[in-house]
Amino acid sequence: SQQGEEDPQALSIQEGENATMNCSYKTSINNLQWYRQNSGRGLVHLILIRSNEREKHSGRLRVTLDTSKKSSSLLITASRAADTASYFCATGVSSNTGKLIFGQGTTLQVKP
Amino acid sequence: DTAVSQTPKYLVTQMGNDKSIKCEQNLGHDTMYWYKQDSKKFLKIMFSYNNKELIINETVPNRFSPKSPDKAHLNLHINSLELGDSAVYFCASSQAMNGGGYTFGSGTRLTVV
Repeated sequence: SQQGEEDPQALSIQEGENATMNCSYKTSINNLQWYRQNSGRGLVHLILIRSNEREKHSGRLRVTLDTSKKSSSLLITASRAADTASYFCATGVSSNTGKLIFGQGTTLQVKP
Repeated sequence: DTAVSQTPKYLVTQMGNDKSIKCEQNLGHDTMYWYKQDSKKFLKIMFSYNNKELIINETVPNRFSPKSPDKAHLNLHINSLELGDSAVYFCASSQAMNGGGYTFGSGTRLTVV
């Protein structure tokens, strides 16, 4: 069964608005990561948050992690058309294999 | 300089054939992975190698055989291809097995007809 479930599955916003994507998971984790995938391309690592961290920022990205609720959110502020992509959360479940379990992703469309 | 490169990018082949996908990383990473992405974009891990040693072997049919001649290369050989093998296969690497971020290749779209 899947580890991560993302919500919403699809999101459409106007340029300049903020986009929030949520991820829930089932088992204990070492870290949680967010990736972006543009159409027809590979995934690009955006940000990693460790299980003992609650919030992390990187440019226009803000990630929160609530281990008690087994959930995370990714906020993209002041979105741009170039942010149009699929966004995946991935949970690091083992400290000695490097294995990541990916959610199904949120497809974000930012309209110019 | 592409960090993780996969070849070929596209592969169309008939059922029953045997094919290979190659992956190379020039990042000096110790760990490499193969993931399969289905038509619904769901990514599932298949294999991982750490410095040429098999670490993860998920429940993948034994028609799939990974080979790592050195820590910079992880190839995937598939025997007796089936229609259900059609997917995008991604190679990735990470510096270690301690849960850091992955660097992905651009994927190989396999279509079995």
